[in-house]
Amino acid sequence: QKEVEQDPGPLSVPEGAIVSLNCTYSNSAFQYFMWYRQYSRKGPELLMYTYSSGNKEDGRFTAQVDKSSKYISLFIRDSQPSDSATYLCAMSAEGAQKLVFGQGTRLTINP
Amino acid sequence: DVKVTQSSRYLVKRTGEKVFLECVQDMDHENMFWYRQDPGLGLRLIYFSYDVKMKEKGDIPEGYSVSREKKERFSLILESASTNQTSMYLCASSLYRASDNSPLHFGNGTRLTVT
Repeated sequence: QKEVEQDPGPLSVPEGAIVSLNCTYSNSAFQYFMWYRQYSRKGPELLMYTYSSGNKEDGRFTAQVDKSSKYISLFIRDSQPSDSATYLCAMSAEGAQKLVFGQGTRLTINP
Repeated sequence: DVKVTQSSRYLVKRTGEKVFLECVQDMDHENMFWYRQDPGLGLRLIYFSYDVKMKEKGDIPEGYSVSREKKERFSLILESASTNQTSMYLCASSLYRASDNSPLHFGNGTRLTVT
């Protein structure tokens, strides 16, 4: 079993929809949770960062962490075609030097 | 802005060749990483380095080696390329450890095909 599981999709939704992307994990030591966005033919870039449990909002993006369920989510409101990309969750434990990534979910927003 | 530059966008090599993938970062970052990215498998860490001349094995180091002679440069070496090493290779750097809210800055990748 992988430490981090993420549905690879692909996920296709109409413009303006609310998108929910999710990851589950098995390592209870994970404390730091990130979402990276990767456009086609580009490297991933950090989108959201959350420490421990709770929510974080940045514009149309909300990251949620539920440590009791070992489940994290990224919500995109009012989705735009420019949000079409692969979204990767990543996480690490306290003091860790490296991240553990999910497989990535390929998202397409249709105009 | 941090820039991570990978020397080649596309490479085609033959089985058995020695292959060098080069990566340079311009922000004096301590940590550098090599990942490979394959459909359905996501990003898998090959090697990383937290200081000059230091290296640590990642999750899939077999068949690879690395070199970090200068802080800004991190090279991935395929000693004898094989077809199962056909992949997208991504280099990344970060200022601090992963747990210190120190984001990874990625290059745009090298797509390597081994025939």
